[in-house]
Amino acid sequence: SQTIHQWPATLVQPVGSPLSLECTVEGTSNPNLYWYRQAAGRGLQLLFYSVGIGQISSEVPQNLSASRPQDRQFILSSKKLLLSDSGFYLCAWTSRRYSPLHFGNGTRLTVT
Amino acid sequence: GQQLNQSPQSMFIQEGEDVSMNCTSSSIFNTWLWYKQDPGEGPVLLIALYKAGELTSNGRLTAQFGITRKDSFLNISASIPSDVGIYFCAGQQGGSEKLVFGKGMKLTVNP
Repeated sequence: SQTIHQWPATLVQPVGSPLSLECTVEGTSNPNLYWYRQAAGRGLQLLFYSVGIGQISSEVPQNLSASRPQDRQFILSSKKLLLSDSGFYLCAWTSRRYSPLHFGNGTRLTVT
Repeated sequence: GQQLNQSPQSMFIQEGEDVSMNCTSSSIFNTWLWYKQDPGEGPVLLIALYKAGELTSNGRLTAQFGITRKDSFLNISASIPSDVGIYFCAGQQGGSEKLVFGKGMKLTVNP
């Protein structure tokens, strides 16, 4: 069966520090991968998605970037965090177009 | 970008009551999905709908893909305290790799 791992579960970082959140999927190959951000427990904002290694589509211009160095690995990064980057970050995958999206358990990021 | 109008935004009900929520759009969707999110966790898929008019049940949950392909509803029968959470609808359009999400419906169930 397929599983998605996302870490860390919680993170507190000072303003201006770098960020790296990692997501890996097991039990499938060539998944579509997604990063979402959720503020205040409501509303899922799509940040990035990837349909293959090295292929990244950005949905919202911002202080973040994403990379996909391996087929089942998706990384969300920032060189310098802003207070507004605080939120709940969710990684998700799907096996093909029109199949359901499956989410990880999220990372709660607090920028202080 | 494309939006889904999800309503109501929140509901406060007594245990045992039924719940109905829906999502509408001005555009056609090929897939409708319903998710539930518990506090501090990622959304979990409840029901997936792939055909216009499709009516699907999962235990106490029933969802339908609107015949016009522009709407969907989710019903929860005989609610229980563990039904508490945020319910999201999501849709996918033809040719898109992305899901469009509603803003969520926060459900509170009083024992």
